[in-house]
Amino acid sequence: AQSVSQHNHHVILSEAASLELGCNYSYGGTVNLFWYVQYPGQHLQLLLKYFSGDPLVKGIKGFEAEFIKSKFSFNLRKPSVQWSDTAEYFCAVYSSNTGKLIFGQGTTLQVKP
Amino acid sequence: ETGVTQSPTHLIKTRGQQVTLRCSSQSGHNTVSWYQQALGQGPQFIFQYYREEENGRGNFPPRFSGLQFPNYSSELNVNALELDDSALYLCASSLSGTRTYEQYFGPGTRLTVT
Repeated sequence: AQSVSQHNHHVILSEAASLELGCNYSYGGTVNLFWYVQYPGQHLQLLLKYFSGDPLVKGIKGFEAEFIKSKFSFNLRKPSVQWSDTAEYFCAVYSSNTGKLIFGQGTTLQVKP
Repeated sequence: ETGVTQSPTHLIKTRGQQVTLRCSSQSGHNTVSWYQQALGQGPQFIFQYYREEENGRGNFPPRFSGLQFPNYSSELNVNALELDDSALYLCASSLSGTRTYEQYFGPGTRLTVT
């Protein structure tokens, strides 16, 4: 069955610390991978996406993610987090068979000023 | 460009009742997907509509049904509400074909079933 697993449920960091959130997926077809962010009280927003080509993708607000096919992973990174990065982060894979996004359970990131 | 909008923002219903949630897709988008996000969980796919027909369904019972209208707006109907239906319901719009994966989400409707 198709699934997405996010390793960290709750991460607490101080400002300027580096961030890496893990994401592994299980899907046999062509992968389209996404990271979404949900700021407190706001709707889901797309951070970045991978379709093909360069496995290192850059998104908004200084985030980047690396697709490692051999590890079925798509980890999210940011060199230096800010207090404003406090949010819920979701990894997702798109299933072309059903047209649906399959989400992980999410990681809550709390950045202390 | 108008984003995805949903109504109402919040809703409280009693177990056994029926509810209708509404979604207006982003301008130019013809495909609408609905997701349920329970507290502390990631969104779960309910179903997708394209050309006014259901075009894919997740693991949800038949009491979850939907409609899409000629202007691409959509409704999610839930009959015989259960306590576990309490969740944030998200609507996402996209273009059909190769861009279906690029889904834009609305703010959601928070449904509470008591």
